[in-house]
Amino acid sequence: ETGVTQSPTHLIKTRGQQVTLRCSSQSGHNTVSWYQQALGQGPQFIFQYYREEENGRGNFPPRFSGLQFPNYSSELNVNALELDDSALYLCASSSRTSGWSSYEQYFGPGTRLTVT
Amino acid sequence: AQTVTQSQPEMSVQEAETVTLSCTYDTSESDYYLFWYKQPPSRQMILVIRQEAYKQQNATENRFSVNFQKAAKSFSLKISDSQLGDAAMYFCAYRDDYKLSFGAGTTVTVRA
Repeated sequence: ETGVTQSPTHLIKTRGQQVTLRCSSQSGHNTVSWYQQALGQGPQFIFQYYREEENGRGNFPPRFSGLQFPNYSSELNVNALELDDSALYLCASSSRTSGWSSYEQYFGPGTRLTVT
Repeated sequence: AQTVTQSQPEMSVQEAETVTLSCTYDTSESDYYLFWYKQPPSRQMILVIRQEAYKQQNATENRFSVNFQKAAKSFSLKISDSQLGDAAMYFCAYRDDYKLSFGAGTTVTVRA
């Protein structure tokens, strides 16, 4: 069974630039959630993708956007980067059927984004 | 919105001893899930234990057990026979239909 993978591991960007982070879900999982974890804090939910559509969104501005592909992998895009976007970005995969989604989310190792 | 509170920023425990981490949450739902995740310095968030709110029996996974008090909205984690590998940040999380809400975390250090 393949676990959740994320790329790149680390990234340094300049304020105002755009960034794309990638996530491959665990084998058999069809749902991907993205979280932002600032240093010393708990993760904050950004959004979730299911069947290639955004399924729910946290309190993040529209410059945070995403995609999910037919193979269930996902991208997180952030436009017009700000210094406060510096954080660890975590991807988590789970399995959802027509009703309740599985209760467990499995996390990838994260991408550390630094905005200077 | 659900909120999760972890009131202990740091906890220290002697190897082989027991430590208990506290967590409270706020919700108006009757059916939900609660989790404890461990995040070592490697950053990988690892699921430690889960609890379904409709189950009265407290969950146990080897040396990890919870004390779930639904009426009090309390969900504490007990780590028994602490090992050096237990040193990490521990997060309590509440799950509604699609997202996890995390507490601020408790850093656990294990003294040899």
